[in-house]
Amino acid sequence: EVQLVESGGGLVQSGGSLRLSCAASGFTFSNYVMHWVRQAPGKGLEYVSAISSNGGSTYYANFVKGRFTISRDNSENTLYLQMGSLRAEDMAVYYCARSPRTTRTFDYWGQGTLVTVSS
Amino acid sequence: QSVLTQPPSVSAAPGQKITISCSGSNSNIGNNYVSWYQQLPGTAPKLLIYENKKRPSGIPDRFSGSKSGTSATLGITGLQTGDEADYYCGTWDSSLSAVFGGGTKLTVL
Repeated sequence: EVQLVESGGGLVQSGGSLRLSCAASGFTFSNYVMHWVRQAPGKGLEYVSAISSNGGSTYYANFVKGRFTISRDNSENTLYLQMGSLRAEDMAVYYCARSPRTTRTFDYWGQGTLVTVSS
Repeated sequence: QSVLTQPPSVSAAPGQKITISCSGSNSNIGNNYVSWYQQLPGTAPKLLIYENKKRPSGIPDRFSGSKSGTSATLGITGLQTGDEADYYCGTWDSSLSAVFGGGTKLTVL
């Protein structure tokens, strides 16, 4: 069974940093592109970042470029999102999601981890 | 302001049929597959439809998808109270970013 379990969320002051993790199991993690998608309280889904299966290519939405870093450890089956210079507008539930190998969609999502930014 | 446009809400009685529209442009829907996600209250999104009309294993055929030009539609027949959720369309744009609609809240009266 495919499982994605996020952790690392919490309360952080504006300007602070946080590292999110997403532990994957039930599939060959190193074969899949992985993503972070966020959802502010009461709002819709917003695409944050992506990383290729071997970690060699990354993508960032403009609003996090230069502040967030996506990475992965294929030996530990774990995806990361290092978040820095956090702002109030970064407050959201952060989901990790998997793309299947044959098409562009998000076929499995984690349960999410909440990041709260205080001013 | 979401890139894709969905109606904020839709409602119908149990057993009825609804459709949810998703409007985009040539830079996103017009040149990419559309997916639909269901988000039950307090849970993570779940893939309902991919490649415009395909259903993952385990998704009942009460759920259907279609696409024409720069718009897509999700259909749900035989509405059940358990279908009450937020529904999001999603696709990709020319900058390799995923884009989503603002979500549609389905109420089963």
